[in-house]
Amino acid sequence: GDSVTQMEGPVTLSEEAFLTINCTYTATGYPSLFWYVQYPGEGLQLLLKATKADDKGSNKGFEATYRKETTSFHLEKGSVQVSDSAVYFCALSDESSGTYKYIFGTGTRLKVLA
Amino acid sequence: GAGVSQTPSNKVTEKGKYVELRCDPISGHTALYWYRQSLGQGPEFLIYFQGTGAADDSGLPNDRFFAVRPEGSVSTLKIQRTERGDSAVYLCASSSLAPQAETQYFGPGTRLLVL
Repeated sequence: GDSVTQMEGPVTLSEEAFLTINCTYTATGYPSLFWYVQYPGEGLQLLLKATKADDKGSNKGFEATYRKETTSFHLEKGSVQVSDSAVYFCALSDESSGTYKYIFGTGTRLKVLA
Repeated sequence: GAGVSQTPSNKVTEKGKYVELRCDPISGHTALYWYRQSLGQGPEFLIYFQGTGAADDSGLPNDRFFAVRPEGSVSTLKIQRTERGDSAVYLCASSSLAPQAETQYFGPGTRLLVL
């Protein structure tokens, strides 16, 4: 079945450092891809998404490009801030069954130090 | 506008008891999903409603779990004879019809602890 694999955390960076969180997927069809973020004490929030190959999603300085050839959707940010500390989840939308249910990775905890 | 709301925010129960978890989706969203998130893991799909009917319940772990959405809006997840392994955060999400169907909006979750 479809699956999502994320790099394990925690990832600890200094403020203004460059961030990459790797995400790869397996899918039988052509899924939409998402990054969700969970700040401490809060619910899941959509960070960005891409619905087809070569699409780039971006939001709040974060970017991710849908790479069909490498089945990847890596999250990047050029300069992280302390306020970016959170857990980040990569997900795909299973469209093959018509339900659009999400399949999530295990999450990557990011800690940014001042 | 109002987002997805879930009640209660926390629920502590004893093994063997029955619990109900409620989800109020975004107004007008026809699709509703339930997920379960165990500690240190990503959310796992439980059940999907389109309108009033359960279109996909393949993620329900066993027949102790059941969900309803009688009027196509509010949904209730019901767990019978709770077990300690049911302890998790239960998340609800809703989405509108295509072409926006793939973006789901999540509630804050209900944290269930079975003692």
